[in-house]
Amino acid sequence: EAGVAQSPRYKIIEKRQSVAFWCNPISGHATLYWYQQILGQGPKLLIQFQNNGVVDDSQLPKDRFSAERLKGVDSTLKIQPAKLEDSAVYLCASQGLAGIYNEQFFGPGTRLTVL
Amino acid sequence: SQQGEEDPQALSIQEGENATMNCSYKTSINNLQWYRQNSGRGLVHLILIRSNEREKHSGRLRVTLDTSKKSSSLLITASRAADTASYFCATEAIYNQGGKLIFGQGTELSVKP
Repeated sequence: EAGVAQSPRYKIIEKRQSVAFWCNPISGHATLYWYQQILGQGPKLLIQFQNNGVVDDSQLPKDRFSAERLKGVDSTLKIQPAKLEDSAVYLCASQGLAGIYNEQFFGPGTRLTVL
Repeated sequence: SQQGEEDPQALSIQEGENATMNCSYKTSINNLQWYRQNSGRGLVHLILIRSNEREKHSGRLRVTLDTSKKSSSLLITASRAADTASYFCATEAIYNQGGKLIFGQGTELSVKP
């Protein structure tokens, strides 16, 4: 079974530029999460989708971050404009059915460096 | 905000020794999970313990949960160099219906051959 795919793996941009990350979850997984992991810290949830609807985006900085999940499958996370403090690893995770299959499967992440 | 606080922040042991990591959390939970993260990679789920369970085993892993103290521990027995990684506890809060996890800061484990 293929795992969660993310691209790109690395991205370097200058502040005020925009960037987009892509995630393809495990086939059939209804729930998709985006996390931000700053160096030396645990992952912090940014947004949770159930199919193509948003379940929780309470910690998403909506003035600069946006996310969508097309047709309830792939998802993109965008930052515009980027700030220095956005430098982090962005992790995508998927889950079969939240609350029943509790394990989340993580992709390898995209490491973003903002200069 | 981070739910879990883990200690120690870093742990260095010799191969063959046991490693114990602790996690404390703040709110009532449905379950607590442990994940491992190797350098430069995503997280891998290790084990889940539900709020009505006190102890769980999986291979060389042993997890305990004390809901009265809001704490958990992960024991890795007979450690190997390949166990070198960061270990995170993550909690699913009892009020959460959607599976959202809140992660701790992690313990960085180094196992020396």
